Amino acid sequence: NAGVTQTPKFQVLKTGQSMTLQCAQDMNHNSMYWYRQDPGMGLRLIYYSASEGTTDKGEVPNGYNVSRLNKREFSLRLESAAPSQTSVYFCASSEAGGRTSTDTQYFGPGTRLTVL
Amino acid sequence: AQSVAQPEDQVNVAEGNPLTVKCTYSVSGNPYLFWYVQYPNRGLQFLLKYITGDNLVKGSYGFEAEFNKSQTSFHLKKPSALVSDSALYFCAVKEWGSASKIIFGSGTRLSIRP
Repeated sequence: NAGVTQTPKFQVLKTGQSMTLQCAQDMNHNSMYWYRQDPGMGLRLIYYSASEGTTDKGEVPNGYNVSRLNKREFSLRLESAAPSQTSVYFCASSEAGGRTSTDTQYFGPGTRLTVL
Repeated sequence: AQSVAQPEDQVNVAEGNPLTVKCTYSVSGNPYLFWYVQYPNRGLQFLLKYITGDNLVKGSYGFEAEFNKSQTSFHLKKPSALVSDSALYFCAVKEWGSASKIIFGSGTRLSIRP
């Protein structure tokens, strides 16, 4: 089991460029998440997908879009990158993400993105 | 609204001494509480969680955490620190029955000196 995988590991963009961060999990989990991690701010939820075919906004969705391609894959797209989006991005998955879920989230290794 | 606070940005402990990493939370109802650890250039790894029952929760790598409802705290502890415990630790909370997602604290960097 690879767990949660993310590509790329590093990326440098110029302001205004677009890119897609890829995430895949092989644990047959229903729920998937995208977070960004900034110094002193912990992890902030960008978007999540409770199940295949559904996506919802998290705490900081502006400037991002997501696609739950299938049960395994959940991609994050930056349409027009800005310096404020310089961050480390983590994808995570859990078995279920409902209201009474206590499921542990499993994290990928992260993508370090710099926007110049 | 739910929230979680880690009041210390950094905790320094000598190897072999006990360690405590503090966490306080705020939820309207019953909390689910988690601790995660992040090693350099890695994603977060689950350590332990409190759902209900015994207030003392045991987790991976010899860590444990004590749930204190009256003080709304969930401090992470270990009786004897190892240099390899040096990492970034995150507390997280989710309100049972809430549609909101898990909220992470800002993290505490634990440094164990030999």
